[in-house]
Amino acid sequence: EDKVVQSPLSLVVHEGDTVTLNCSYEVTNFRSLLWYKQEKKAPTFLFMLTSSGIEKKSGRLSSILDKKELFSILNITATQTGDSAVYLCAVEASFNNAGNNRKLIWGLGTSLAVNP
Amino acid sequence: EAQVTQNPRYLITVTGKKLTVTCSQNMNHEYMSWYRQDPGLGLRQIYYSMNVEVTDKGDVPEGYKVSRKEKRNFPLILESPSPNQTSLYFCASKYTDTQYFGPGTRLTVL
Repeated sequence: EDKVVQSPLSLVVHEGDTVTLNCSYEVTNFRSLLWYKQEKKAPTFLFMLTSSGIEKKSGRLSSILDKKELFSILNITATQTGDSAVYLCAVEASFNNAGNNRKLIWGLGTSLAVNP
Repeated sequence: EAQVTQNPRYLITVTGKKLTVTCSQNMNHEYMSWYRQDPGLGLRQIYYSMNVEVTDKGDVPEGYKVSRKEKRNFPLILESPSPNQTSLYFCASKYTDTQYFGPGTRLTVL
């Protein structure tokens, strides 16, 4: 059965700390891995990763994928209170040989609280 | 502005009273889907649509219907809502691998 597991489930840090969030997966016919940030509303897209070892970066956030070990990490440096949110990881997979039928398998998220 | 809109944002109803949650996107995306989000269970896909008149079941389709008569709209229909359908619902549309989510509809079924 396809699954995506995020860890930790929850963490609390102080402003200025660096955090690393983990996402591991067991998925057949992997296509891509996506990170989303969810505050008290809809998830917003952060990164899409398809290739191993290539870091994606946006400001203080960065992410990398390891397709051999089947995981991704999301790093946030110099955290701010505005980074407090649930971070969701999802893996897109094909479920037919043609590759045109796809599904997203979601992790349960990591809840990050950044205290001032 | 490119966006996905949902209505209503909040809805409290009673068991058995049919309701529809509308979803509309202005990005000309072919792929649209509905999710529900529940504590401890994460996001679960209810139905999705690859294009007009093409819909398929997701992971938790029981008790829901959808239709896709035009590209921009993808309504979610609960013919006879039950309390276990109390949840936070998100509509999303997708281009390539990036999904854009609507603002969510918080539904309570009494």
